[in-house]
Amino acid sequence: EAAVTQSPRSKVAVTGGKVTLSCHQTNNHDYMYWYRQDTGHGLRLIHYSYVADSTEKGDIPDGYKASRPSQENFSLILELASLSQTAVYFCASSAGGKNTLYFGAGTRLSVL
Amino acid sequence: QQQVRQSPQSLTVWEGETAILNCSYEDSTFDYFPWYHQFPGESPALLIAIRPVSNKKEDGRFTIFFNKREKKFSLHIADSQPGDSATYFCAASASNAGAKLTFGGGTRLTVRP
Repeated sequence: EAAVTQSPRSKVAVTGGKVTLSCHQTNNHDYMYWYRQDTGHGLRLIHYSYVADSTEKGDIPDGYKASRPSQENFSLILELASLSQTAVYFCASSAGGKNTLYFGAGTRLSVL
Repeated sequence: QQQVRQSPQSLTVWEGETAILNCSYEDSTFDYFPWYHQFPGESPALLIAIRPVSNKKEDGRFTIFFNKREKKFSLHIADSQPGDSATYFCAASASNAGAKLTFGGGTRLTVRP
């Protein structure tokens, strides 16, 4: 069974503060992704990575940074959190670009 | 710019009916089209996927119909059950776009007993 673990599961942050969301996978997958889910917008890709120490911009990268220090770990960083970044964030991993995405349980972020 | 459009946003059917969920796309380089479902409080999970070497893919009660000329594809859920109630997302990716999978906005399906 594929395993993608996100932490924290929920977080309340203040506007202008720094937020780090972490993701760990034990699938031995090369690809990892960060998606954001908002009602009515489905899942939007923020950043992704297909190899350690390298990240790629997704469709909505502004205001977010990503870090892939190892194959297993992929972090999403909000340097200056804003109200508009309140959402549920999902991390996912896959064996390749055309393979099944395995999602973590999600992190509910509220920026106040 | 939304490259994958999904309709309707919400759909209610009676148990036993066929639910039809629709998607359209703009990028003609897209060559992989999965459908994911998400139950309340859970994460999205792959349901079924198609590559356009064929225009139909079946898996039990779930069927994808694909129309390359019109850039449309749909998910048909036959004999809908209350347990099928969930949000369904279509998605698409292209071989020349690396690992990027673009999702539609989702259809919330409710199956009434």
